Amino acid sequence: GIQVEQSPPDLILQEGANSTLRCNFSDSVNNLQWFHQNPWGQLINLFYIPSGTKQNGRLSATTVATERYSLLYISSSQTTDSGVYFCAPGGSGGYQKVTFGIGTKLQVIP
Amino acid sequence: DGGITQSPKYLFRKEGQNVTLSCEQNLNHDAMYWYRQDPGQGLRLIYYSQIVNDFQKGDIAEGYSVSREKKESFPLTVTSAQKNPTAFYLCASSILAGTDTQYFGPGTRLTVL
Repeated sequence: GIQVEQSPPDLILQEGANSTLRCNFSDSVNNLQWFHQNPWGQLINLFYIPSGTKQNGRLSATTVATERYSLLYISSSQTTDSGVYFCAPGGSGGYQKVTFGIGTKLQVIP
Repeated sequence: DGGITQSPKYLFRKEGQNVTLSCEQNLNHDAMYWYRQDPGQGLRLIYYSQIVNDFQKGDIAEGYSVSREKKESFPLTVTSAQKNPTAFYLCASSILAGTDTQYFGPGTRLTVL
């Protein structure tokens, strides 16, 4: 199956700072999702981005499938951005399960 | 409101007992999934279902069973054969399997005493 590596594993930011989270994956993919898990455990889908760039408010994501990585940008961070960010690519060719990385734990301090 | 519900939120079980976790969705999605999350870890796939009356094992299916008799429901049974069942269990759904955004329920925290 696909191997997923996320970096950094932990990140502490001052409120208002920007950050970039990285996701490397080992094989070709036909889909990739970014999720945010809040401190209560709820997972929210941020982006479905198998390739290209998307933006949603202060968040944007870029996937370069040919080079097997994806980036999540958080600008002007807020305390509500705290939590764990997961990258979850899915393989190509028929149904391939989505594989989750172990995440980047982000803490935004006031 | 459309969404995915899981119940109960917290569940305590004595060792050796089977327990069933509920997952219901009203999003009209064909595909549903069960994941397990351990502290500090990512999610691991237990079972998935692409359509009613069909389901497939994921990476860690041993000690678990599922059914998919209705489109909106995908219950998970944690059996006594599961050696280490204490974990956070998350249910998800998507329009189709494998190529669509997954939407998650709030999860069930299972503790085996």
